Amino acid sequence: QSALTQPASVSGSPGQSITISCTGASSDLSAYSFISWYQQHPGKVPKLMLYDVTNRPSGVSNRFSGSKSGNTASLTISGLQAEDEGDYYCASYVSDNTIVFGGGTKLTVL
Amino acid sequence: QVQMVQSGREIKKPGASVRVSCKASGYTFSSYAITWMRQAPGQGLQWLGWINTYNGKAILPQKFQDRVTMTTDTSTSTAYMELRSLRSDDTAIYYCARGQANFRVRWFDPWGQGTLVTVSS
Repeated sequence: QSALTQPASVSGSPGQSITISCTGASSDLSAYSFISWYQQHPGKVPKLMLYDVTNRPSGVSNRFSGSKSGNTASLTISGLQAEDEGDYYCASYVSDNTIVFGGGTKLTVL
Repeated sequence: QVQMVQSGREIKKPGASVRVSCKASGYTFSSYAITWMRQAPGQGLQWLGWINTYNGKAILPQKFQDRVTMTTDTSTSTAYMELRSLRSDDTAIYYCARGQANFRVRWFDPWGQGTLVTVSS
């Protein structure tokens, strides 16, 4: 399975909103609503931020939201804060019980 | 609370095998799958597969089917991932994580602390 496509980097100023896209190679994402997003700070363990496109685990700020349209999923962070800086990865369930990750997006808070 | 604790760092020579363990606690082990990922230095995450902890069946991407074996020991709530015929490009941090169920595993939480595997002659 090909990796999902994410922008290499995005940036925003504190208080602004940013969106990170995640696009499937073919119809990877359009068939299922099984997208998850992970945040990783430098040298740290990935942390689940969203699952099944829009759901937030307990303890994750409501500034994080997700959506999907066709073969593209998106993570939006509103009210950007310095602590949001890090790498973000999308992942999707595809056919035959397999998972594919995006290449990752580095978020810089200016 | 739910925790995944992995074994310590490993240094291996090319051609050798490595086995990483992942001990789960704080929940019923056989009710949730264990997923394995890796992250090469400066690179993104790569999915290695997952194992159904109820029936012991592993789902692996084709790329790793010849070199990876996943097993569990339900008596100790521990999962294992063995990677054989190691190459230098297998150098990475290996993570385990709990899947949301034993069926149609699609998100992973929490993750273990990671195990650095270095392959070098």
